[in-house]
Amino acid sequence: GAVVSQHPSWVICKSGTSVKIECRSLDFQATTMFWYRQFPKQSLMLMATSNEGSKATYEQGVEKDKFLINHASLTLSTLTVTSAHPEDSSFYICSARDAGTGRNFGPGTRLTVT
Amino acid sequence: QKEVEQNSGPLSVPEGAIASLNCTYSDRGSQSFFWYRQYSGKSPELIMFIYSNGDKEDGRFTAQLNKASQYVSLLIRDSQPSDSATYLCAESGGGADGLTFGKGTHLIIQP
Repeated sequence: GAVVSQHPSWVICKSGTSVKIECRSLDFQATTMFWYRQFPKQSLMLMATSNEGSKATYEQGVEKDKFLINHASLTLSTLTVTSAHPEDSSFYICSARDAGTGRNFGPGTRLTVT
Repeated sequence: QKEVEQNSGPLSVPEGAIASLNCTYSDRGSQSFFWYRQYSGKSPELIMFIYSNGDKEDGRFTAQLNKASQYVSLLIRDSQPSDSATYLCAESGGGADGLTFGKGTHLIIQP
């Protein structure tokens, strides 16, 4: 139970383009989803908290106009990296909060911007 | 600014021995604590979480929490080579909060 999926698992895009990443809770409803970013050899950093039906809450230093988050249903949150640049290349991982206190992570999306 | 501190390692442990991983946190208001295992290039896998002082056991894993000392640990009994990974400690201030992660400890189990 409490399975989280992400799509795509990896993506390569050109500088200046936008990329959308989907995060789905497969067997439970998640009112809250979280988006993290992990650069090589570093730990996970929380980017934003996504709440179904309301605006996302962004962590300090994360540009909300660059990283657009939409949580339109109880099973789907999307992260759109707009006007991507090489420094946005990273491992993006979502997490969903289940009915308990568990925090299960999706498999991640590796973004490479050329 | 919340901080979670871990020794980056590498921590080398012989196969079959007990691996002990430690973590300290800065925010006394932290409520829940999580241990994740992360293999290279993969997403973190939840090992267990703990929110009450004391020990919590799950199979070969035991998490220990001491809120007075702001200290969390993870013991892995009968360590296996497949346990070789980076172990991430994380804390949460509450149910709706995201997690603050430590930088992780690289564990190597020597056959």
